[in-house]
Amino acid sequence: DTGVSQDPRHKITKRGQNVTFRCDPISEHNRLYWYRQTLGQGPEFLTYFQNEAQLEKSRLLSDRFSAERPKGSFSTLEIQRTEQGDSAMYLCASSTTSGSGADTQYFGPGTRLTVL
Amino acid sequence: GNSVTQMEGPVTLSEEAFLTINCTYTATGYPSLFWYVQYPGEGLQLLLKATKADDKGSNKGFEATYRKETTSFHLEKGSVQVSDSAVYFCALRTRGSSNTGKLIFGQGTTLQVKP
Repeated sequence: DTGVSQDPRHKITKRGQNVTFRCDPISEHNRLYWYRQTLGQGPEFLTYFQNEAQLEKSRLLSDRFSAERPKGSFSTLEIQRTEQGDSAMYLCASSTTSGSGADTQYFGPGTRLTVL
Repeated sequence: GNSVTQMEGPVTLSEEAFLTINCTYTATGYPSLFWYVQYPGEGLQLLLKATKADDKGSNKGFEATYRKETTSFHLEKGSVQVSDSAVYFCALRTRGSSNTGKLIFGQGTTLQVKP
């Protein structure tokens, strides 16, 4: 069990550019979540996958945001035409629905996005 | 709607002092409650949890009791150490057949412990 990993850890981009983040969940975790955390605030839910199906999206997820989990393993979060307000830490978490520790979410280290 | 409210920080304590971080929630039904900790430069780690009323979660000397009557889940530790300096987040997860399991977090409370 290597934990949840995210790549890159830091991303600096110019306004208007597209960015893509990757999350590798704990193996065999069927649930995957994306959250966004701004400075001094708690994480806010963005979207949720069960296996490869995206089952919920927050109102925070504008049309510029898209997430995928094509084979039910890793996930990507893409932001198109970035804006300065997109600057935040993007967190990924995973959980399983079976066994001990079911439904406990394990978080990755996050990707810090800075939009100039 | 569902929400979590934590006491404002930062909280500054001397080593070996008693810690309480207040957390209250608003939720439909009977949520599961969590405390997560974020050490400087690290990701969120689950500290403890409780899934039903009167349950007590505990870990690393920290405790929190699920109080349905006061809708609270206050975090306590009898004797803090410098290494406990971190940001603490209270969170809830609602139940239900359509539940996605998403967490709703409070704004976080920064704890600074001085030697």
